[in-house]
Amino acid sequence: QVQLQESGPGLVKPSETLSLTCTVSGGSIINYYWTWIRQPPGKGLEWIGYIYYSGSTTYNPSLRGRVTMSVDTSKNQFSLKLSSVTAADTAVYFCARDTGWSPGGFDYWGQGTLVTVSS
Amino acid sequence: EIVLTQSPGTLSLSPGERATLSCRASQSVSSSYLAWYQQKPGQAPRLLIYGASSRATGIPDRFSGSGSGTDFTLTISRLEPEDFAVYYCQQFGSSPYTFGQGTKLEIK
Repeated sequence: QVQLQESGPGLVKPSETLSLTCTVSGGSIINYYWTWIRQPPGKGLEWIGYIYYSGSTTYNPSLRGRVTMSVDTSKNQFSLKLSSVTAADTAVYFCARDTGWSPGGFDYWGQGTLVTVSS
Repeated sequence: EIVLTQSPGTLSLSPGERATLSCRASQSVSSSYLAWYQQKPGQAPRLLIYGASSRATGIPDRFSGSGSGTDFTLTISRLEPEDFAVYYCQQFGSSPYTFGQGTKLEIK
């Protein structure tokens, strides 16, 4: 059974960089896409972007170049960095496995971690 | 960017009833690239349907998806108490991937 677990600071100051890591267990990171999604409190889901195990990435343009993702296949982990954060970046951040176009959809998710942006 | 609009925003039904949730896209989405998720409070979303109509592993057959082009539907044939939650549609055929705003299914 594949499991994902997000880790990182729960509180980030405005203008600083949010950093999260997702550790995958029960399966390999190889041959899959891995994605980040966020959900502001009481609101809907926003896709942040994905990274392939090889390191290729696609990001949501709405985040205007503030996003960087990386992958460490030796540790079965992938990471998210979001720079110049503001209060609008306060959200629960989820990592998930993206099955790509076939069969499609995000089939395994982490439990989510709340990141609050505040001084 | 493809905008997904879900309706209704809230659906109030009783256990045993049939639920029909709609997802309309601002432009055509290939059926292969449309998914539905269920989210309960404090939990991560759970994949229900992929490819517009295929049930994900372990999903009961009371859940079914249909549609094509710009109009998609999630149907729950007979509501069980555990089905009351928020449901999201998602397209992943073109970047950026987008989600609908959600339909809250509540107990009447």
